[in-house]
Amino acid sequence: QLVESGGGLVQPGGSLRLSCAASGFTFSNYWMDWVRQAPGRGLEWVANIKQDGSEKTYVDSLKGRFTISRDNAKNSVYLQMNSLRAEDTAVYYCARGLSGIIDVWGKGTTVTVSS
Amino acid sequence: DIVMIQSPLSLPVTPGEPASISCRSSQSLLQSDGKNYFHWYLQKPGQSPQLLIYLGSNRASGVPDRFSGSGSGTDFTLKISRVEAEDVGLYYCMQTLHTPVTFGQGTRLEIK
Repeated sequence: QLVESGGGLVQPGGSLRLSCAASGFTFSNYWMDWVRQAPGRGLEWVANIKQDGSEKTYVDSLKGRFTISRDNAKNSVYLQMNSLRAEDTAVYYCARGLSGIIDVWGKGTTVTVSS
Repeated sequence: DIVMIQSPLSLPVTPGEPASISCRSSQSLLQSDGKNYFHWYLQKPGQSPQLLIYLGSNRASGVPDRFSGSGSGTDFTLKISRVEAEDVGLYYCMQTLHTPVTFGQGTRLEIK
C-alpha cells in the first residue's frame, strides 16, 4: 500500500514537500516513482529514484525545481517541489517499480497552486 | 522523448461486445532481453491507475482473462473480449524503456 500526503493549496512561487508512506512490501527492493495528473488531463511521469537512492531521474521540464528523495528506514519517498507554478496543479501519485514495471499506485494527493 | 499515440481516443461499446485499443510508439520498445517495456493501465472514475498488462502481453494479478495485450516493437493492442460495465474508464499505454517514462493520451471507454 502507498499513501501520499502533503498536498494542499500553495501560492505561486511557493514550495511543498509531498510524502509517500509504503507498507506491506519490502520498500528497499523497489524503485519509486512520482506521476502527476493535471485536472482533466492525462498522466505525466515526474521522477523516479533507485532502491538505494543512488540514481534519480526527472522529466526535463521539472529539473531544478523538483527533487525526489527516499528514506528506506522510514519506508517513505518524498517529492520536494519549489518555485511552484499554476501549471503544477495536479494530483500527484507515488508508485512502485521493479524491472521496468510500475505495478502499484497510491490514491494520490492534490496540489493546487493559486493566489 | 518517446511519443505514444493511442487510438481511438473515445470508445463507446455495447456490453458483451469486444473492444480494441491501439498504441503506437515513436521508437521501438523491444529491449535486447527480448522484452517489450510497454504496459497498459486502466484508470476507473475517481481512482488511481491500475496495472492491466505489463511487458506487452502479461496480465497483472487479478485482471480478468477477457483482457489481453499483444504487439511488439512499436505497435501494441489491448483487447477486451466482452466488455462489462465495470470496464469503463480511461485506458493508458505507457513505456518504461526510454527516459523519461511516457504515456499515451488515454482512451475513454464508455458503455453505449
